[in-house]
Amino acid sequence: DVKVTQSSRYLVKRTGEKVFLECVQDMDHENMFWYRQDPGLGLRLIYFSYDVKMKEKGDIPEGYSVSREKKERFSLILESASTNQTSMYLCASSLGSGTDNSPLHFGNGTRLTVT
Amino acid sequence: DQQVKQNSPSLSVQEGRISILNCDYTNSMFDYFLWYKKYPAEGPTFLISISSIKDKNEDGRFTVFLNKSAKHLSLHIVPSQPGDSAVYFCAAPPGTGFQKLVFGTGTRLLVSP
Repeated sequence: DVKVTQSSRYLVKRTGEKVFLECVQDMDHENMFWYRQDPGLGLRLIYFSYDVKMKEKGDIPEGYSVSREKKERFSLILESASTNQTSMYLCASSLGSGTDNSPLHFGNGTRLTVT
Repeated sequence: DQQVKQNSPSLSVQEGRISILNCDYTNSMFDYFLWYKKYPAEGPTFLISISSIKDKNEDGRFTVFLNKSAKHLSLHIVPSQPGDSAVYFCAAPPGTGFQKLVFGTGTRLLVSP
């Protein structure tokens, strides 16, 4: 069974801090994603990666960056946290290499509060 | 611009009855749709999918119907159970081949005993 693990369930950070959200998957998946979930807005894609060291912007990349140095790990970085980045952050992974319709497997989320 | 829309933020049904969750989409190029279920404090989990070559896909108590001409899909749960209480998201890949998904805003289903 696929396991996607997010390192923190809850985080509280101050405005202006640099924040790292870590995600690890154990199924050798090619693709990894970062979404945020907000009430009334659903899940919105921030960044995704389809290979080590590769990254692509999603729909709302502003204020974020990512790092994928190893296949199993995908990090989301908030360069200078702001209150409008208070949200639930969800990491996901999926098979790649032609299996285009394989479902995403999500972690349990990190609820980030920026004060 | 919301390409996948779930216009009902919430739905309440009684145990044993049918739950119908609706989803509309705007992009006629979408050719695959998925439903995810999300419990509080957990990540979304894949529930059921449908390809645009079909108009119906069934898996146990869950059936998804697709009406391409109306750009509408629905998820039917029969019979509904209290454990089905969750937020349901419909989603579609925009067709870039990397499985990134566009999600709707979700419908919170409450099934009461």
